[in-house]
Amino acid sequence: DIKMTQSPPSLSASVGDRVTITCRASQSLARFLNWYQQKPGKAPELLIYAASRLQSGVPSRFSGSGSGTDFTLSISSLQPEDFATYYCQQSYSSPWTFGQGTKVEIK
Amino acid sequence: EAQLVESGGGLVKPGGSLRLACEVSGFSISIAWMSWVRQTPGKGLEWIGRVKTKADGETTEYASPVQGRFTISRDDSKNTFFLQINRLTTDDTAVYFCVTERSWYDVDSWYLWLGPWGQGTLVTVSS
Repeated sequence: DIKMTQSPPSLSASVGDRVTITCRASQSLARFLNWYQQKPGKAPELLIYAASRLQSGVPSRFSGSGSGTDFTLSISSLQPEDFATYYCQQSYSSPWTFGQGTKVEIK
Repeated sequence: EAQLVESGGGLVKPGGSLRLACEVSGFSISIAWMSWVRQTPGKGLEWIGRVKTKADGETTEYASPVQGRFTISRDDSKNTFFLQINRLTTDDTAVYFCVTERSWYDVDSWYLWLGPWGQGTLVTVSS
């Protein structure tokens, strides 16, 4: 199975900050990488697919980049509603696997 | 708007069985691959498996830890799909989400992702 490693596991940031989360895969994924946001008690929601394509309805302050084994999710200006946990997920080969998550907390 | 609603979760004794259902509205599941994902505080999000469409042979795929104990099936006439879990252990305690797989074609590749998701149903395995 492909192992996904996210960093950092958690971070504290203020409203308006730029935030970057990284995801590393144990083998090359080309661009088969998705990002999700999950709030407490809710299901994950798709933010980014194919490494950099913004899901419809997702604010443009979210962006994704990378290919191969290293990927990044960025939030250009953190908003109050962005405090949540973020997960990467590879869709290169079954079984789909997720990173362990990055919790973004209020500073 | 697509909506997925799980049912069937609850408290089960070790060794028991459970059948979860996911009723879908807002689109026909007959054209969609459908998956189950579970979440625990310790292991995070874990993809369990999927059932493909009838057109794709209604093939099922499972993650190794659940192979042989979990069975995913679908009833397109009811727009519902299912997860049968046998020989439950305490490690199966989790929130179980049903989710559809969506895709986008670019150049020469199909890109897949998970969503939309159901709200989740809690399965607790305890004596």
